[in-house]
Amino acid sequence: GQQLNQSPQSMFIQEGEDVSMNCTSSSIFNTWLWYKQDPGEGPVLLIALYKAGELTSNGRLTAQFGITRKDSFLNISASIPSDVGIYFCAGQLAFYGGSQGNLIFGKGTKLSVKP
Amino acid sequence: NAGVTQTPKFRVLKTGQSMTLLCAQDMNHEYMYWYRQDPGMGLRLIHYSVGEGTTAKGEVPDGYNVSRLKKQNFLLGLESAAPSQTSVYFCASSKPGLDTQYFGPGTRLTVL
Repeated sequence: GQQLNQSPQSMFIQEGEDVSMNCTSSSIFNTWLWYKQDPGEGPVLLIALYKAGELTSNGRLTAQFGITRKDSFLNISASIPSDVGIYFCAGQLAFYGGSQGNLIFGKGTKLSVKP
Repeated sequence: NAGVTQTPKFRVLKTGQSMTLLCAQDMNHEYMYWYRQDPGMGLRLIHYSVGEGTTAKGEVPDGYNVSRLKKQNFLLGLESAAPSQTSVYFCASSKPGLDTQYFGPGTRLTVL
């Protein structure tokens, strides 16, 4: 099936540092979404992107929809301990055989913050 | 609003047993989804529904069945559980035409 390459797989950062992660694909996407999952919980939507080049912020989080429509990145500024968790990117392909709404998920970036 | 809820939260089955996972949403969403999440993997779509009475296969449908008899509920069934179905199962819902999916808290299933 289609693949999203999400990197890095994991990262340890010092509190207060900025964080960057990204997702890439060989396919073109119509939509990029970024979710965060806390242990024992379901993913929670952080940011949704619908247009190529779109740059959207949600508090300390900023995400961009790549111009080529094949990638997206998420930045977290001034990280704090509660940023710990797994971050997933998800996208909807521009051309697909299934019904509208199906998403493809990256494997996640596990973020750990040193207090 | 409770959003998306799932029952049960945990379950242990023996190989060959059957069970049904229930997902309920109170956001009046048309679309509902069942995913499984395995260690080191992203979410993989099992089945989905674009409306009451309709269901369709996702990426990994084998060994599962679903039903959407009411708009607010989406049931996932395992007729004969296998150890390979040990996983965390997430339900999600969304409005039609929009890609933003809202997830439930998950059901952790272990098949011995």
